[in-house]
Amino acid sequence: QKEVEQDPGPLSVPEGAIVSLNCTYSNSAFQYFMWYRQYSRKGPELLMYTYSSGNKEDGRFTAQVDKSSKYISLFIRDSQPSDSATYLCAMRDYGGSQGNLIFGKGTKLSVKP
Amino acid sequence: ETGVTQTPRHLVMGMTNKKSLKCEQHLGHNAMYWYKQSAKKPLELMFVYNFKEQTENNSVPSRFSPECPNSSHLFLHLHTLQPEDSALYLCASSQDGVDYGYTFGSGTRLTVV
Repeated sequence: QKEVEQDPGPLSVPEGAIVSLNCTYSNSAFQYFMWYRQYSRKGPELLMYTYSSGNKEDGRFTAQVDKSSKYISLFIRDSQPSDSATYLCAMRDYGGSQGNLIFGKGTKLSVKP
Repeated sequence: ETGVTQTPRHLVMGMTNKKSLKCEQHLGHNAMYWYKQSAKKPLELMFVYNFKEQTENNSVPSRFSPECPNSSHLFLHLHTLQPEDSALYLCASSQDGVDYGYTFGSGTRLTVV
């Protein structure tokens, strides 16, 4: 079983839809959870960051972590064409150390006007 | 300039060539990374440098040789590559003790012919 599973899509939705992106993981030691957004021909940029379980909201974006189910989600409300990108989940088991950030494959999202 | 800058943006090289990728970060971070991004695969960590010292080499073939002369600059020297090495090579930086992830450059799209 891979450490982090993420459906690569592609996912196509109409403008204004609510988008749900998800990752599952197997390592119960993961505590730090992130979502990156990667536009075509660009590097990933950090979108949301969550420590341990719970929800975090930032504008139209909500990140959820359910450690009991080893499942994280990113919700995008009122999706816009500018949200079209690949979304990568990433996680690590402890902070302050480099090199142990594990990524999913990424989900390619297309928001149609 | 701000952020993480990578050059060149695109590189085509033959299997017998020697070339180098360059990364520079202007964020005052102390850790730098090389990642490989291939289609339909998760980001693969290649090398980690912390305060100019290599702290991780993720079983990368010797045809990839990193160099970190100072905490702001990182190089990836390439020689006798294979066509399967064609990918997007991403540089990232972070600050030890700060848990909210990495800052990525835009990458170098490498094609080996």
